[in-house]
Amino acid sequence: DIQLTQSPTTLSASVGDTVTITCRASQSLGSWLAWYQHRPGKAPKLLIFQASTLGPGVPPRFSGSGSGTVFTLTITSLQPDDLGTYYCQQFNNNWTFGQGTKVQLK
Amino acid sequence: EVHLLESVEVQPGGRSLRLSCAASGFSFINHAMTWVRQVPGKGLEWVSSISVSGATTYYSDSVKGRFTISRDNSNNTLYLQMNSLRVEDAATYYCARSPKRVIGYFDFWGQGTVLAVPS
Repeated sequence: DIQLTQSPTTLSASVGDTVTITCRASQSLGSWLAWYQHRPGKAPKLLIFQASTLGPGVPPRFSGSGSGTVFTLTITSLQPDDLGTYYCQQFNNNWTFGQGTKVQLK
Repeated sequence: EVHLLESVEVQPGGRSLRLSCAASGFSFINHAMTWVRQVPGKGLEWVSSISVSGATTYYSDSVKGRFTISRDNSNNTLYLQMNSLRVEDAATYYCARSPKRVIGYFDFWGQGTVLAVPS
């Protein structure tokens, strides 16, 4: 099974900051990776698919990059609505989620 | 507007449950569907997926042999029959849609339904 490891586990930042989350895969995924935002009590929301393509209606302050085994999600100018937990997910070989990165206010 | 609404139905005897996911706002028959769960305090875990026709199904090792995914395309509903429930199956269960017939990633999710399993 493919393992996904996200770092950091928790991230404290201020409104307006740029934050970066990394997702490392145990084997190459090509570009078969997606990112989701999950706010408490809400449905998870697709942010990025195919490693770098913005999902429908997602603000351009979110961006994804990477291929192979290392991927990043970047949020520029962090907004209060962006607080929550972020997950990467691979779909190269079955389906696996990373353990999540919680973004909170400093 | 895409809408996915999960619910739980207790089967007679109390040790089996069936989750339902009522879909609306899109052509259900053209999308693969998936169940994902979240144990309290933990991350998202892929549980099971099904092809558009229902002929092909996939399960995580943790539920294989106990859970059965199915779909009713005439009624736009996804199901998860859950037998031999364990305490560790207690979680919030989400149904999720893939954007196309290939399972891949998940572009819309339901709000989730909480499953409690008595010890």
